[in-house]
Amino acid sequence: GAGVSQSPSNKVTEKGKDVELRCDPISGHTALYWYRQSLGQGLEFLIYFQGNSAPDKSGLPSDRFSAERTGGSVSTLTIQRTQQEDSAVYLCASSQRSYGYTFGSGTRLTVV
Amino acid sequence: QKEVEQDPGPLSVPEGAIVSLNCTYSNSAFQYFMWYRQYSRKGPELLMYTYSSGNKEDGRFTAQVDKSSKYISLFIRDSQPSDSATYLCALTPSNTGKLIFGQGTTLQVKP
Repeated sequence: GAGVSQSPSNKVTEKGKDVELRCDPISGHTALYWYRQSLGQGLEFLIYFQGNSAPDKSGLPSDRFSAERTGGSVSTLTIQRTQQEDSAVYLCASSQRSYGYTFGSGTRLTVV
Repeated sequence: QKEVEQDPGPLSVPEGAIVSLNCTYSNSAFQYFMWYRQYSRKGPELLMYTYSSGNKEDGRFTAQVDKSSKYISLFIRDSQPSDSATYLCALTPSNTGKLIFGQGTTLQVKP
């Protein structure tokens, strides 16, 4: 597609449930990034993929968070046993170079 | 201390004003400097990109980098109501890998 697509755009889940967030990057972009943006905060780095491998996953907050990328394209961020502090906007970006990041519109996650 | 500091504002200016947005940083390894604009409920979009010290101009926008002071700025001339958004600085030591973002400054341009 023309841009980075994220789904769902909004997700409300109960505390303790697992959620999966999906990112479809721009075709041909080899790098893919996940960030988290909490209310009034800047963007917090979560994980970076180059192709299907993740050379930098230093930002994942806990072992409840995991991500994978398949076929050098679609990526899924999974949060297990969600907590209220996980409520945030989860943003995905893809690029060929870091200064060429293109972001999706994000998934707004609310844990109730 | 955060790696990148940015005053969150909010900053309110009248239409036509010159706006100055700033970030300071602590890591001298940063080499690439960017400004992103984020409208409400949208993802950030790249506005300006600069490498190393100096100025870069694009229309009404000028990005300035002073590596000796670890200080970067974005100037908006003849500001318009459509410029009302959150502006985020982003820095990285290399042209691959993660960006480190400032907190973002919320700008409102009043007609």
